[in-house]
Amino acid sequence: NAGVTQTPKFQVLKTGQSMTLQCAQDMNHEYMSWYRQDPGMGLRLIHYSVGAGITDQGEVPNGYNVSRSTTEDFPLRLLSAAPSQTSVYFCASSRGLAGGPSTDTQYFGPGTRLTVL
Amino acid sequence: GQQLNQSPQSMFIQEGEDVSMNCTSSSIFNTWLWYKQEPGEGPVLLIALYKAGELTSNGRLTAQFGITRKDSFLNISASIPSDVGIYFCAGPTGTYKYIFGTGTRLKVLA
Repeated sequence: NAGVTQTPKFQVLKTGQSMTLQCAQDMNHEYMSWYRQDPGMGLRLIHYSVGAGITDQGEVPNGYNVSRSTTEDFPLRLLSAAPSQTSVYFCASSRGLAGGPSTDTQYFGPGTRLTVL
Repeated sequence: GQQLNQSPQSMFIQEGEDVSMNCTSSSIFNTWLWYKQEPGEGPVLLIALYKAGELTSNGRLTAQFGITRKDSFLNISASIPSDVGIYFCAGPTGTYKYIFGTGTRLKVLA
């Protein structure tokens, strides 16, 4: 099992450019999510999905789009990059519901470090 | 909105010392999770707590679910250099949403 994989590992964009951060998991998990991590702020939830075709907003969704066409993949799209989106982005997956024994363990990918100039 | 505050923000300790950190919330949680993030990696779940007062260990790590359900504590005994990293607490804010604390950065001096 590769677990949760993310590509690219590093990316530099210019303001206004668009790009897609890729996330894939091979554990057949229903729940997938995207977080951003900024210094001193912990991880903040951007968007999440509870299954193919179902997505919803997290705490900081503005400027980001997601879709989930398969169980395995959950890409994050930046429509028009801004310097405020400079951050480290983590994708995570889990088997099921939050707060449930053995189902709420989230497995995180290694992250994508994004710089917007 | 909800916030999870972690204390201390960072700490330097000597190898072999015990470490204590805590996480507090203004709201009640039914689950507390503790994660560790090593440099350049994503967080990894260390311990999950599901009941007020619960005490759970994972090797040298022990975590407690506070009886008020608004706090949780993590202790590391006899620290070693590989304990270095950022420790996050987290809890569910809805069926499918999690909130993470601001993190405690631990540095161990050999």
